[in-house]
Amino acid sequence: QLQLQESGPGLVKPSETLSLTCTVSGGSISSSSYYWGWIRQPPGKGLEWIGSIYYSGSTYYNPSLKSRVTISVDTSKNQFSLKLSSVTAADTAVYYCARHEKWNGKRWFDPWGQGTLVTVSS
Amino acid sequence: EIVMTQSPATLSVSPGERATLSCRASQSVSSNLAWYQQKPGQAPRLLIYGASTRATGIPARFSGSGSGTEFTLTISSLQSEDFAVYYCQQYNNWPPFFGQGTKLEIK
Repeated sequence: QLQLQESGPGLVKPSETLSLTCTVSGGSISSSSYYWGWIRQPPGKGLEWIGSIYYSGSTYYNPSLKSRVTISVDTSKNQFSLKLSSVTAADTAVYYCARHEKWNGKRWFDPWGQGTLVTVSS
Repeated sequence: EIVMTQSPATLSVSPGERATLSCRASQSVSSNLAWYQQKPGQAPRLLIYGASTRATGIPARFSGSGSGTEFTLTISSLQSEDFAVYYCQQYNNWPPFFGQGTKLEIK
């Protein structure tokens, strides 16, 4: 059974870079059928897609965050990572990693990691 | 950008009754719509994709319908474990956008 697990610092200072890693177990991140994505949820609010990456390194980013986001993949470790630069309090959220299919018309998110809360505060 | 609007924001229903949740897209998304359930402190769980196909392991009391811009999630007989927040998500266009959620609470 495929499982995803987020990891990284729970506290980041304003103007610094948020860095998180998602470790995939029970399956290969190098599958040709899937993209691997990051989604966030501010406390008490809704869900926002951040971006997705294919095992080859091809990426899609949310235009609203694109200037600050970098997603990378390490197939040798079965991991992919998120970096969000110049963070502010508005970036405080639970960050989830999730998988979606590569093909148009099949890009729902399943499964999801359990999520990790990142607080931006000095 | 496709805006997804869910209604109502909060729905109060008694256990055993039917719940109907709505999701509207600002432009057609064909049948490329998914529904998720989120309980407090948990990640969202996929319920429905393709507007009407239940995900693996999802009980038959959950059903989805609609196409184009209007979609409905129906829970036929509410169980205690169904009280949660429900989100719709379009994946017809990139980037994918989620609705703001409907909180289903016990009446």
